Amino acid sequence: EVQLVESGGGLLPPGGYLRLSCSASGFTFSSYSMNWVRQAPGKGLEWISYISSRISTTYYAGSVKGRFTISRDNARNSLFLQMNSLRAEDTGIYYCARGGTYKFFDYWGQGVLVTVSS
Amino acid sequence: SYVLTQAPSVSVAPGKTARITCGGDNIGKRGVHWYQQKPGQAPMLVMYYDSDRPSGIPERFSGSNSGNTATLTISTVEAGDEADYYCQVWDTSSDHQGVFGGGTKLTVL
Repeated sequence: EVQLVESGGGLLPPGGYLRLSCSASGFTFSSYSMNWVRQAPGKGLEWISYISSRISTTYYAGSVKGRFTISRDNARNSLFLQMNSLRAEDTGIYYCARGGTYKFFDYWGQGVLVTVSS
Repeated sequence: SYVLTQAPSVSVAPGKTARITCGGDNIGKRGVHWYQQKPGQAPMLVMYYDSDRPSGIPERFSGSNSGNTATLTISTVEAGDEADYYCQVWDTSSDHQGVFGGGTKLTVL
């Protein structure tokens, strides 16, 4: 059974930093691309970052480019999101999602809450 | 950047057919994917590449994509189908980006 479990969320002040983790199990992690998708309170879904299976390629949404860094450790079946220079508008639930063949997201974690507030 | 447009809400009586649309410029030339999200839960893929159903998704769910509109159709709607539905594409026109529509709230009357 595919499982994705996020961790590392919390309450941070504006300008702060945070590292999210996503632990994967139930599939060959190194064979799949991975993504982070977030959802502000009461709002829709926003894709924010992608990393290819072998770490060679990363993409970011314009809203986080230069502030967030996606990475992975295939030996530890783990995905990460380093979030710097946090803003109030970064508040929301952050989901890790496995990438499907045609750049869709076929499995999702339960999400982790990040709150940026003074 | 590429924009996907969804109606904020759709209402349908139980047993009837719900059609949830996703508009975008020449969206028919792209692969469109659909997600269902119930309150307090993570999204779930219900349709990929326009009309393919993941395992476990009922045949009542179908999809189509042509011209400027992609459609997720739910036949014989049940109370348990009440949820938010999001369409999604991958855009490579300017930069590589995942793009979601704004979501449609399906209400079962």
